Amino acid sequence: QKEVEQDPGPLSVPEGAIVSLNCTYSNSAFQYFMWYRQYSRKGPELLMYTYSSGNKEDGRFTAQVDKSSKYISLFIRDSQPSDSATYLCAMTTLDSNYQLIWGAGTKLIIKP
Amino acid sequence: EADIYQTPRYLVIGTGKKITLECSQTMGHDKMYWYQQDPGMELHLIHYSYGVNSTEKGDLSSESTVSRIRTEHFPLTLESARPSHTSQYLCASGYLYEQYFGPGTRLTVT
Repeated sequence: QKEVEQDPGPLSVPEGAIVSLNCTYSNSAFQYFMWYRQYSRKGPELLMYTYSSGNKEDGRFTAQVDKSSKYISLFIRDSQPSDSATYLCAMTTLDSNYQLIWGAGTKLIIKP
Repeated sequence: EADIYQTPRYLVIGTGKKITLECSQTMGHDKMYWYQQDPGMELHLIHYSYGVNSTEKGDLSSESTVSRIRTEHFPLTLESARPSHTSQYLCASGYLYEQYFGPGTRLTVT
């Protein structure tokens, strides 16, 4: 079983919808949680990272961490066709020097 | 947009050739990373560096080697390319939880 599970999708929603992307994990020692966006034939781009539990908001994006359920979410409000991409979650422990554990990504399609 | 560059963007090469994938960053980051990414799969760390003259192998076994002679430059070399090396190679720099990626090199070995 993988340490981080992410539904590969594709997830297809109409423009303007609220999108919810999720990852589950098994290692309770994870403390840093990251969301990356990757467009086709590009490198991943960091959207935001959170430390420990709670919410973090940046514009139309909100990241949420539920450590009791080992579950993280990324919400996108007022979704736009330009949000169509693959979204990757990644996480790591407090004492790791180099190792991020990545999800395989969810492909998101926003239909105009 | 992050100031991290990779060349070439695409490379098709025959088996047995030696290749070097270039990666440069202008952000002054000490930490740099090389990842391998296959379609629909997780990123796998193949090499990382904490600074000049510091390089380590990641968790994914790789036949490649890296060097870090200057802070801004972190090239990856394959001495003898094989079809199993066909993949996308991504270079990144920054803190572990705040990494900035280059555009990647898509390598095909025939």
